Amino acid sequence: EAGVAQSPRYKIIEKRQSVAFWCNPISGHATLYWYQQILGQGPKLLIQFQNNGVVDDSQLPKDRFSAERLKGVDSTLKIQPAKLEDSAVYLCASSQQGRRGETQYFGPGTRLLVL
Amino acid sequence: AQKVTQAQTEISVVEKEDVTLDCVYETRDTTYYLFWYKQPPSGELVFLIRRNSFDEQNEISGRYSWNFQKSTSSFNFTITASQVVDSAVYFCALSEYTGNQFYFGTGTSLTVIP
Repeated sequence: EAGVAQSPRYKIIEKRQSVAFWCNPISGHATLYWYQQILGQGPKLLIQFQNNGVVDDSQLPKDRFSAERLKGVDSTLKIQPAKLEDSAVYLCASSQQGRRGETQYFGPGTRLLVL
Repeated sequence: AQKVTQAQTEISVVEKEDVTLDCVYETRDTTYYLFWYKQPPSGELVFLIRRNSFDEQNEISGRYSWNFQKSTSSFNFTITASQVVDSAVYFCALSEYTGNQFYFGTGTSLTVIP
C-alpha cells in the first residue's frame, strides 16, 4: 500500500514570495492533516480536513496560509507571502476516518527555507 | 502548559546498550490515546505504537517495548540491544477524546554509536 506522498521535498524561496505544497494521502483515507514542524520542535497542527471539508483550522495563520482539498483526495497548502519564520518542515498526514485516537500516517515532508 | 513532556533532548548510547526514552503526559480526559513515532534523518514520521488509556498492559515488539503507567502519567519506550539504525528523533504524542488533536512532545534525539 502506498504511503502519503508529498512534493516538493525541498524548497528555497525569498521572503515575500509565494510557495505551494502538495499532498496525496493514503488511498481511501478520509482525513488529511497539515502540520508545521519547526527545527527542534514537535509537529504542530495547521489544518485538518474531513473529506473536502475543514474540521479544524484554528492554528492556521489565515492572513498568509491557505489550504484546500477540493475533491476530497489530494490537498495543497499555500503560503503567500512567506516570512522568515515560516522556515520549517511541512508534514502531511492522513487517517482512515478521523475518529478520536485514530493513528495518523505521515508523509516525508517538505523542507522549506525562507531567505 | 505542555501536554506531552519529553525531558531528554538528546541521548547517546553505544551499540547493543539498552536505552529508555521517557514520556510524561497531562490530560483531564479519562479516555485518551498515546503514540510513539520515529523520525529518521529522511524526515518522515514513522508510526511505532498506539495505546488507549484503558489498556495498561505493557507491550513488546521485537527489540522495542513500552511501559504505560497511568499512576505516573508516563508512557516510556525502551529499545533493547540498540543498533545504529535506531538513530533518529523519537516523538511521543497524546490524542485526547475531547478535541481529537494530536499533541506532540519536543522529541528525543537518539544517537547509537557503533
